[in-house]
Amino acid sequence: EAGVAQSPRYKIIEKRQSVAFWCNPISGHATLYWYQQILGQGPKLLIQFQNNGVVDDSQLPKDRFSAERLKGVDSTLKIQPAKLEDSAVYLCASSPDRAYGYTFGSGTRLTVV
Amino acid sequence: AQKVTQAQTEISVVEKEDVTLDCVYETRDTTYYLFWYKQPPSGELVFLIRRNSFDEQNEISGRYSWNFQKSTSSFNFTITASQVVDSAVYFCALPRNTGKLIFGQGTTLQVKP
Repeated sequence: EAGVAQSPRYKIIEKRQSVAFWCNPISGHATLYWYQQILGQGPKLLIQFQNNGVVDDSQLPKDRFSAERLKGVDSTLKIQPAKLEDSAVYLCASSPDRAYGYTFGSGTRLTVV
Repeated sequence: AQKVTQAQTEISVVEKEDVTLDCVYETRDTTYYLFWYKQPPSGELVFLIRRNSFDEQNEISGRYSWNFQKSTSSFNFTITASQVVDSAVYFCALPRNTGKLIFGQGTTLQVKP
């Protein structure tokens, strides 16, 4: 079975620019997660989707971050405008439901300069 | 509140040594799962084990073993006869009932030849 696909793999932008990340979960997985991992820390959930509905976005900085999951499949995470502290790895994960079979993608490493 | 603590930030061992990575968790749930993930330099989170709180038996998988002790809220991970390929960051994680994973800070393991 194909894994969770993420792109781009790396991105460097200047502060105040915008950026978007894409995630294609495993086929049939209803639940999709976006995590932010700052260097030296564990991943922290930004947003969780169940199909195309949001389950948890309590830690998403909504003034600059947005995410969508159209048709309950692919998802995009956008940052506009980016700040230096947004430099991190953004990990996408999916699972069949709220059961605990998570699969993580390789992540997108964002550097804001 | 749910919390995972990995007090060891970095561990360095020489190849073939045994090493134990500590994980202490806090939860008010009576039933729960615990996870261990490995994050090699490539960045992807690799699933190692999921343990149900009902099952306190130790688990062994090749050179890996896990010691789950509910009485001390610990879920420690031991690598026997470590190898250079074991060098990575290791995360302990506790899922909430929504599916959201609460990660520890991670322990960086360096295995020297």
